[in-house]
Amino acid sequence: DSGVTQTPKHLITATGQRVTLRCSPRSGDLSVYWYQQSLDQGLQFLIQYYNGEERAKGNILERFSAQQFPDLHSELNLSSLELGDSALYFCASSDGGGLYEQYFGPGTRLTVT
Amino acid sequence: DAKTTQPPSMDCAEGRAANLPCNHSTISGNEYVYWYRQIHSQGPQYIIHGLKNNETNEMASLIITEDRKSSTLILPHATLRDTAVYYCIGQAGTALIFGKGTTLSVSS
Repeated sequence: DSGVTQTPKHLITATGQRVTLRCSPRSGDLSVYWYQQSLDQGLQFLIQYYNGEERAKGNILERFSAQQFPDLHSELNLSSLELGDSALYFCASSDGGGLYEQYFGPGTRLTVT
Repeated sequence: DAKTTQPPSMDCAEGRAANLPCNHSTISGNEYVYWYRQIHSQGPQYIIHGLKNNETNEMASLIITEDRKSSTLILPHATLRDTAVYYCIGQAGTALIFGKGTTLSVSS
């Protein structure tokens, strides 16, 4: 158990819809990262937040957005969903904003039908 | 971040040492080598990291060549539970850039 929690575990929704994935980092960790894992693209970094502020951005689509709240939990919002957005979405946390080992949650499996 | 090259798959007998190679010939002086693994569809798990010197922890050992162009992750006594995809990452930024990794299959 990494100490990172993600909800929900599974999500099934239709194309065009909007969903919110939630992540609670390990106690004391200030950074939260979001990754997407699909069969054809592998594990891809989406975005990082550090203590409430966006720190780094990866291959995140404009239809996707994230935020980190004062209690340090984070949400990833996915809108105008397409079939290709079906994937595992992982959240990770680390205790700093720089080079630190990251601890991953169990993931949210999103299926868009 | 450095591009890394790993063999797509390896086999290991249970109880034997598993030696997983990684080439990172373009690594720069300030880039660390990180190893993570992913068991089935679980979240990736941090294993070990190093810059220049060899490192050891309770999970594994990391041997980095003197020219830093390659490294080897060693699982000293592989068990069935070590069957996973192992990722070698050359990291300078805060994000992890995952490649395809090596699928290690441990069998009895």
